[in-house]
Amino acid sequence: QSALTQPPSASGSPGQSVTISCTGTSSDVGNYKYVSWYQQFPGIAPKLIIYEVNKRPSGVPERFSGSKSGNTASLTVSGLQVEDEADYFCNSYAGSNNLVFGGGTRLTVL
Amino acid sequence: QVQLQESGPGLVKPSETLSLTCTVSGDSINSQYWNWIRQPPGKGLEWIGYINYRGGSSYNPSLKSRVTISVDMSKNQFSLSLNSVTTADTAVYYCARQLAVSSMNSFDLWGQGTTVTVSP
Repeated sequence: QSALTQPPSASGSPGQSVTISCTGTSSDVGNYKYVSWYQQFPGIAPKLIIYEVNKRPSGVPERFSGSKSGNTASLTVSGLQVEDEADYFCNSYAGSNNLVFGGGTRLTVL
Repeated sequence: QVQLQESGPGLVKPSETLSLTCTVSGDSINSQYWNWIRQPPGKGLEWIGYINYRGGSSYNPSLKSRVTISVDMSKNQFSLSLNSVTTADTAVYYCARQLAVSSMNSFDLWGQGTTVTVSP
């Protein structure tokens, strides 16, 4: 199966909101509520920040939110902070005990 | 505090078998689902597969013919074996815990990762 499609880069100024898209197909993103988002800093393991489309694990700030429409999921970071500068990856359940990741988006805080 | 720690050789020759172990501390491996995920240098993440507490497993279709994930409950460890490796298998390999049985794509706890280089 193909990887989910994410924009290679996104940017915003402190205090602004930025949205990162994650586009799949009707066989993965469009067919299941199981989309997750991960934040990764250089040389560090990824951290789960959104699961099941729009749920936040304990300790993740409310300014991180997720949504889905059709075959595209989105991660919105509101009130951008300098420390949000990182790589963001989405993934989705793809049926038959399989899952697929997106290629990742580098978020720059200007 | 639950921790995961990967261990294994950092260098593997082409055509040989890559073997890694993940040691779980602070939690019993006799619960949850346990996964391997890799990340080639400068690239995105790729799910390799999982094993559960009942010994059931599932693998990425693109790697299925070369992968085996096993569990040793007496040592609270699970392991990855990837045979016939090529330079394309060079990556940071992570072990990770699945958030819940129902959330197959959600990993709430990760090891620090171990770099494996495939080179003659």
